[in-house]
Amino acid sequence: AQRVTQPEKLLSVFKGAPVELKCNYSYSGSPELFWYVQYSRQRLQLLLRHISRESIKGFTADLNKGETSFHLKKPFAQEEDSAMYYCALHSGNTGKLIFGQGTTLQVKP
Amino acid sequence: DAGITQSPRYKITETGRQVTLMCHQTWSHSYMFWYRQDLGHGLRLIYYSAAADITDKGEVPDGYVVSRSKTENFPLTLESATRSQTSVYFCASSVSRTGGNTEAFFGQGTRLTVV
Repeated sequence: AQRVTQPEKLLSVFKGAPVELKCNYSYSGSPELFWYVQYSRQRLQLLLRHISRESIKGFTADLNKGETSFHLKKPFAQEEDSAMYYCALHSGNTGKLIFGQGTTLQVKP
Repeated sequence: DAGITQSPRYKITETGRQVTLMCHQTWSHSYMFWYRQDLGHGLRLIYYSAAADITDKGEVPDGYVVSRSKTENFPLTLESATRSQTSVYFCASSVSRTGGNTEAFFGQGTRLTVV
């Protein structure tokens, strides 16, 4: 079964602290994984995708197939990073796009 | 305007009534999706569509009906609304099924309240 789990509903850190938002997945095949972000009163938007191995706004995420994880990391959190973050899994076979429960990141000054 | 738009933005309806939420995209994307967003559950897939006249169930399809007679439109109908369907509904579209270009673009959401 295709599943995405984000164990933390809320992650609260101080500005400048490191951040790690956890994501684990279940998928029988080669996963396509993404992180989406929803800032207050804005649409959900793509943050980054594992296939491009890019760094966006200082965030990175590495796919670990052995641990079936795709954790999102940033070395120094900024207040403007406060948002809801969703991990997503795309099935290349069916086209289905499944999201996790989301983690609210709160960066305190 | 180009993009993906949902209507209405806000809707209050009574239990038992039929409600249709509209979604329109101007990119001719093949794939379209409907999600509901609830506290503690995140985004859950209701239905999705690979192309016109092709639809499939997601994680929580019960109580919902979709159609896709045209590529650009993907309406979601609640046949007989229940209070448990009070939620924020998001529509999304994406270009293709495979490869790194499967970025989904989201509408602004419809906040539905069933009383």
